[in-house]
Amino acid sequence: GENVEQHPSTLSVQEGDSAVIKCTYSDSASNYFPWYKQELGKRPQLIIDIRSNVGEKKDQRIAVTLNKTAKHFSLHITETQPEDSAVYFCAALSGEGGSQGNLIFGKGTKLSVKP
Amino acid sequence: GAVVSQHPSRVICKSGTSVKIECRSLDFQATTMFWYRQFPKKSLMLMATSNEGSKATYEQGVEKDKFLINHASLTLSTLTVTSAHPEDSSFYICSARVGGPNSPLHFGNGTRLTVT
Repeated sequence: GENVEQHPSTLSVQEGDSAVIKCTYSDSASNYFPWYKQELGKRPQLIIDIRSNVGEKKDQRIAVTLNKTAKHFSLHITETQPEDSAVYFCAALSGEGGSQGNLIFGKGTKLSVKP
Repeated sequence: GAVVSQHPSRVICKSGTSVKIECRSLDFQATTMFWYRQFPKKSLMLMATSNEGSKATYEQGVEKDKFLINHASLTLSTLTVTSAHPEDSSFYICSARVGGPNSPLHFGNGTRLTVT
């Protein structure tokens, strides 16, 4: 089945700097990769997603890149702001096995943006 | 659109009792809903997939007799934690998606369960 690895587990940046979070996945059949932001005690919120037919997607300060050959995808946040501080989860849609059609999440990255 | 409502948001119960958590899709029909469990500072662990009109599909290691899932309608799935123990204390989150597998999951607000 699918296995998703996420790094780093914690990331601290200065306001205005960029932040990059990387994930790798194991199932070559996976074709959908969303990113979620979770603030303390709240529900995960989708911030951006990418499908395997594109290599990059951008939405204002947030961008995601996908390398299907290497089976990794990354989240890029530019011009970080204190309100970007949260835990970010990557996920991959499992393409096979008992979890087919289910999202498998990475372990999360706690991002802290210092003013 | 795509609002998922989950109740209760917090519940405290005594060991040995059962607790029911409801997950509703408010503005769309969900033939499939997902139940996750999240430990403090940990990731989301898929517990089971709830299928409308049929039995839930449980992930390996999840006791189906302890975590009863019922998906009686296209807008409601329930998770019942039976004979709760302190180790069942956790954050439980349901989710659903509009459309096929390649569409985003929308999460409920989660339920903080504390078993004393």
